[in-house]
Amino acid sequence: QKEVEQDPGPLSVPEGAIVSLNCTYSNSAFQYFMWYRQYSRKGPELLMYTYSSGNKEDGRFTAQVDKSSKYISLFIRDSQPSDSATYLCAMDEYGNKLVFGAGTILRVKS
Amino acid sequence: EAQVTQNPRYLITVTGKKLTVTCSQNMNHEYMSWYRQDPGLGLRQIYYSMNVEVTDKGDVPEGYKVSRKEKRNFPLILESPSPNQTSLYFCASSSLERGFTGELFFGEGSRLTVL
Repeated sequence: QKEVEQDPGPLSVPEGAIVSLNCTYSNSAFQYFMWYRQYSRKGPELLMYTYSSGNKEDGRFTAQVDKSSKYISLFIRDSQPSDSATYLCAMDEYGNKLVFGAGTILRVKS
Repeated sequence: EAQVTQNPRYLITVTGKKLTVTCSQNMNHEYMSWYRQDPGLGLRQIYYSMNVEVTDKGDVPEGYKVSRKEKRNFPLILESPSPNQTSLYFCASSSLERGFTGELFFGEGSRLTVL
């Protein structure tokens, strides 16, 4: 069993839809949770960072962490074609060894 | 411009021919790391470095070496490449000045093919 599980998709939605992306994990010691976005032929870039449990909102993006269920989510409101990318969840215990999910491919159709 | 630069971006080589992928960052970051990205497996950490002369193994270090002699550079060395090291490699760096922020700055990637 992988330490971090993420549905690879692809997830295809119409423009303006609300998108929900999720990851589950097995290591209860993880305390840092991140979402990265990766465009084709580019390196990943940080989208959201959350420490421990709770919600965090930044514009159209909301990250949720439920440590009791070992489940994290990223919501994208009013999705745009420019949001089409691969979304990677990442987690860390001490802040030096990020463990990434396999990534979910998102396609937003105009 | 703040950036992480990797070279080469693309390389085709043969089994056993030693190669080095260079990584340089201009942000004075303490932390640097190498990842490989494979379909269905995501990014897996190869090695990381918390500062000059301090390196440690990640999850998949077999077949790789690294060194951190200068703060800005963190080369990845494949002493005897094998076909199972065919992959997309990313170098990343991060500042530790204000503690862990979750933000790694990634290079553009180096696509390596070993025949």
